[in-house]
Amino acid sequence: DGGITQSPKYLFRKEGQNVTLSCEQNLNHDAMYWYRQDPGQGLRLIYYSQIVNDFQKGDIAEGYSVSREKKESFPLTVTSAQKNPTAFYLCASSFGQDERGNTIYFGEGSWLTVV
Amino acid sequence: AQKVTQAQTEISVVEKEDVTLDCVYETRDTTYYLFWYKQPPSGELVFLIRRNSFDEQNEISGRYSWNFQKSTSSFNFTITASQVVDSAVYFCALSGLNSGGGADGLTFGKGTHLIIQP
Repeated sequence: DGGITQSPKYLFRKEGQNVTLSCEQNLNHDAMYWYRQDPGQGLRLIYYSQIVNDFQKGDIAEGYSVSREKKESFPLTVTSAQKNPTAFYLCASSFGQDERGNTIYFGEGSWLTVV
Repeated sequence: AQKVTQAQTEISVVEKEDVTLDCVYETRDTTYYLFWYKQPPSGELVFLIRRNSFDEQNEISGRYSWNFQKSTSSFNFTITASQVVDSAVYFCALSGLNSGGGADGLTFGKGTHLIIQP
């Protein structure tokens, strides 16, 4: 089935550790995105990538890093520099640089909890 | 800067009632897109509709309808004859275009938690 797959669904991190959230898509989308959602809040953009080997910071990029070595994959690393990482993380993708690109589709999300 | 406001934090209605979720947006772009997403308890965001700024025609899809009014910068969502399965958090979102014509990402409202009681 086509779609966006995020893993793991649930992740626990000790303070001071880096963790990486996986996001894979088989929709042949050019653009990929990472959003963070806090309880009772809307989604905020962390990073996005329009093409392979290129990415831009979103509104809350501090304490996060990404890579885009393959079109299908856009992993997010939550570093120890992120002071309040406990949240729900959503990966998304879209066609990117054309009119179709303005519809963004989401994965099922990953819950990250700092213990 | 773009902004999306969903003033209704939570709405609770009894099944079969009609309900309208409000969305007001701010943008300086002349070309932009508006979206509604549904987030059930499982967490995934489900795409419902996309509207571009040049198309103010209202849209109906089954029990769902959307009213886009540029004059009031609003993009409201109505569910007719609500059902328990409609219970979810609904997000309104706004996207501009970058110089390449693609989306830089969405600006979301804080969501409206809709509760449909049986």
